[in-house]
Amino acid sequence: GNSVTQMEGPVTLSEEAFLTINCTYTATGYPSLFWYVQYPGEGLQLLLKATKADDKGSNKGFEATYRKETTSFHLEKGSVQVSDSAVYFCALRVSFMEGLDTGNQFYFGTGTSLTVIP
Amino acid sequence: DTEVTQTPKHLVMGMTNKKSLKCEQHMGHRAMYWYKQKAKKPPELMFVYSYEKLSINESVPSRFSPECPNSSLLNLHLHALQPEDSALYLCASSPLLPRDSRLSGAFFGQGTRLTVV
Repeated sequence: GNSVTQMEGPVTLSEEAFLTINCTYTATGYPSLFWYVQYPGEGLQLLLKATKADDKGSNKGFEATYRKETTSFHLEKGSVQVSDSAVYFCALRVSFMEGLDTGNQFYFGTGTSLTVIP
Repeated sequence: DTEVTQTPKHLVMGMTNKKSLKCEQHMGHRAMYWYKQKAKKPPELMFVYSYEKLSINESVPSRFSPECPNSSLLNLHLHALQPEDSALYLCASSPLLPRDSRLSGAFFGQGTRLTVV
């Protein structure tokens, strides 16, 4: 089946520390991988994405590489800031290419809460 | 315009009320979604519409009734809800065409914070 396993939180880091949030997946069909960020009281914002093996997504200093051999998509940032405090969700989309009446489904990890302290 | 707009932002309703949540996007996306998110949990898929037809219903109780009147609008009609239905309701959209589908993830709205009293 399709599922996402994400590192449990919460994570607390000091400003300028290195961040890694682990994410692994199982998928059938045509997988694409995403990281979303959710700030308190808000919806989800797409942070970065990768649509094929060895693709690296990057945005705002965050990076993640789609590793097919380890079925992983770990999120990293070299130097976190207080403004990065949020909940981070790893997500998998499996696209079904046959049939017009089949929609895409997104599978979310459980979320990792990050708090960065000055 | 890369926004998904949801209204209202906050809603308080009684268990006997009927209300509707609205969602709108103008990105030409032909897949639209309703998710429910409880505090400190990931979003849970409720419904998926593809080309304005309901393609996925994740065994959602009938007190939630989705509607997709056209390719830009998605509604969620609420009736006889329970206090445990209080949550953040998120709408999302994404492209469906194969030539586009790998270029972006789902775009989410800011959500409607629903409280059932």
